Amino acid sequence: ETGVTQTPRHLVMGMTNKKSLKCEQHLGHNAMYWYKQSAKKPLELMFVYSLEERVENNSVPSRFSPECPNSSHLFLHLHTLQPEDSALYLCASSPLRVAVHEQFFGPGTRLTVL
Amino acid sequence: AQSVAQPEDQVNVAEGNPLTVKCTYSVSGNPYLFWYVQYPNRGLQFLLKYITGDNLVKGSYGFEAEFNKSQTSFHLKKPSALVSDSALYFCAVRDINDMRFGAGTRLTVKP
Repeated sequence: ETGVTQTPRHLVMGMTNKKSLKCEQHLGHNAMYWYKQSAKKPLELMFVYSLEERVENNSVPSRFSPECPNSSHLFLHLHTLQPEDSALYLCASSPLRVAVHEQFFGPGTRLTVL
Repeated sequence: AQSVAQPEDQVNVAEGNPLTVKCTYSVSGNPYLFWYVQYPNRGLQFLLKYITGDNLVKGSYGFEAEFNKSQTSFHLKKPSALVSDSALYFCAVRDINDMRFGAGTRLTVKP
């Protein structure tokens, strides 16, 4: 495994539910990322944390709320989602938020919104 | 802004034949280019990257990629394909900010 874990692996929720996705990296990295992967679309970068500070929010709706309590953990809090939010949500980390570093990905959480 | 394009949604090759997965890029400065692979129900796995230096980059599982500045391309290659190489392949470009991925190319290697 890559050293990045995500829980749960699968999640089904109604539009009125509140749930959270969890990501943990065991690599000692200082940058963490949330991506959305939808069928036949490029990966969409949602949020970036560097040294526990949010440094990028790519026009993501407020029904998605990230949290980074420390450099090893990243959460994505979900509330009042829409069916079009159904997708694979991927967490990634890298040593630093610089261009030369590749990112290490978790296995993803498959989210279905009913 | 930087971007990448993967012109083929699907590539089919026979086992033992060479394979190529195409990628072209657009950046304003020096490109940092990456290839990732995604197997079913898994996250993306890093294969190789070009930062600077030799235009031919070697990576994991026997893959290599050739950086061509004049053609703004970074095609992924393997001399002899395996059935186990069947997966979704993503090209990505990164500048001082963050990674931008292509839409992906599904590679199918048939026995």
